[in-house]
Amino acid sequence: DTAVSQTPKYLVTQMGNDKSIKCEQNLGHDTMYWYKQDSKKFLKIMFSYNNKELIINETVPNRFSPKSPDKAHLNLHINSLELGDSAVYFCASSQGAWIPNTGELFFGEGSRLTVL
Amino acid sequence: QKEVEQNSGPLSVPEGAIASLNCTYSDRGSQSFFWYRQYSGKSPELIMSIYSNGDKEDGRFTAQLNKASQYVSLLIRDSQPSDSATYLCAVNEASGGSYIPTFGRGTSLIVHP
Repeated sequence: DTAVSQTPKYLVTQMGNDKSIKCEQNLGHDTMYWYKQDSKKFLKIMFSYNNKELIINETVPNRFSPKSPDKAHLNLHINSLELGDSAVYFCASSQGAWIPNTGELFFGEGSRLTVL
Repeated sequence: QKEVEQNSGPLSVPEGAIASLNCTYSDRGSQSFFWYRQYSGKSPELIMSIYSNGDKEDGRFTAQLNKASQYVSLLIRDSQPSDSATYLCAVNEASGGSYIPTFGRGTSLIVHP
């Protein structure tokens, strides 16, 4: 069983389209994240949810809308895709973001988005 | 702005040597520190975590933390070609009651036979 699974692994789409990425974790963790990794490998936090509640919303365009139907799922919807959105998007989970001495992230395999 | 800094490399070492990877961070309130390894085309995986000043050893890996200098490092002894990867430093930074891992830009390590 994959601990953190995200789909699809690859998306190739045209500018202006809308796309979604889904993520599920079976670890029983309370906190889930979306990170964006650009071509230079920089892994940047986008959103974090703790037990379905948004706790971190970094400076991300409004075109990105996360949704957490329950604590095991965190989806990402992107409207009006732009060339600069091309990146690998990683979903991750951790035991709980309120615990200061923890923070081990378990990552999904990543979703590579290419906007043409 | 809170930052985690790493030298992007690449750091090239011969097989069997010690690879030394360094990371500095700006948030003095940070309490947890992590090293992740990421192979090309794969997701990051945790290799070391450290929470208190000093050294922590796990097999060929040693993490070193100096909170006064805001510095964390990773030593890899007896480097192997299979250690060639990007190493990401992550620091738990407090943000509104939550602790969010913030990553450095990673150091590319190449171990040549």
